[in-house]
Amino acid sequence: DIQMTQSPSSLSASVGDRVTITCRASQGISNYLAWYQQKPGKVPKLLIFAASTLQSGVPSRFSGSGSGTDFTLTISSLQPEDVATYYCQKYNIAPSTFGGGTKVEIK
Amino acid sequence: EVQLLESGGGLVQPGGSLRLSCAASGFPFSSCAMNWVRQAPGKGLEWVSTISGGGYSIYYADSVKGRFTISRDDSQNTLYLHMNSLRAEDTAVYYCAKASSFAFVINSFDYWGQGSLVTVSS
Repeated sequence: DIQMTQSPSSLSASVGDRVTITCRASQGISNYLAWYQQKPGKVPKLLIFAASTLQSGVPSRFSGSGSGTDFTLTISSLQPEDVATYYCQKYNIAPSTFGGGTKVEIK
Repeated sequence: EVQLLESGGGLVQPGGSLRLSCAASGFPFSSCAMNWVRQAPGKGLEWVSTISGGGYSIYYADSVKGRFTISRDDSQNTLYLHMNSLRAEDTAVYYCAKASSFAFVINSFDYWGQGSLVTVSS
């Protein structure tokens, strides 16, 4: 099965900083990659699908890129409400594996 | 408005069984693949199972294969997860989640339920 590895596992940044999270697949998955945001005590929320397509209603400071095995989620200007854990998910074929998560905090 | 409402969670002894339900509304349920995802306390997300619209294709994570059964009743707009031979490591919040498009069975998940806690303990 294809493994999904996220890095870093946690980060601390200041409000207004540019934040980048990486997700690497152990085999190529084309662009079948989604990103989710899970705020503390809340349900996961879809941010990006097809590696770079922003889900409706998601702020434009979030963006995704990549194809094949290497993907990134970027928050262009970190806001206090972005404190959350972010997960990538591959969905080219079953199993639909999630990455281990990246916890984002405010410095 | 899409709504997914899980029920059926609770405390069960190791080796026991439980059935989760997810009542769906606000979209053409029979046409949409549905999924179960779980999250152990303090841990990350783990995909559990997927069923296609109509139930023709079914997939399971290795960790639950042979013990869990996903099913759906399209006449009642309800998704189920039958869990047998439960283990302590199955303790988690179980979410039902809707596939983002009707075109593919394996998909991203655009709507999630609030989750149902399953605790396996003696």
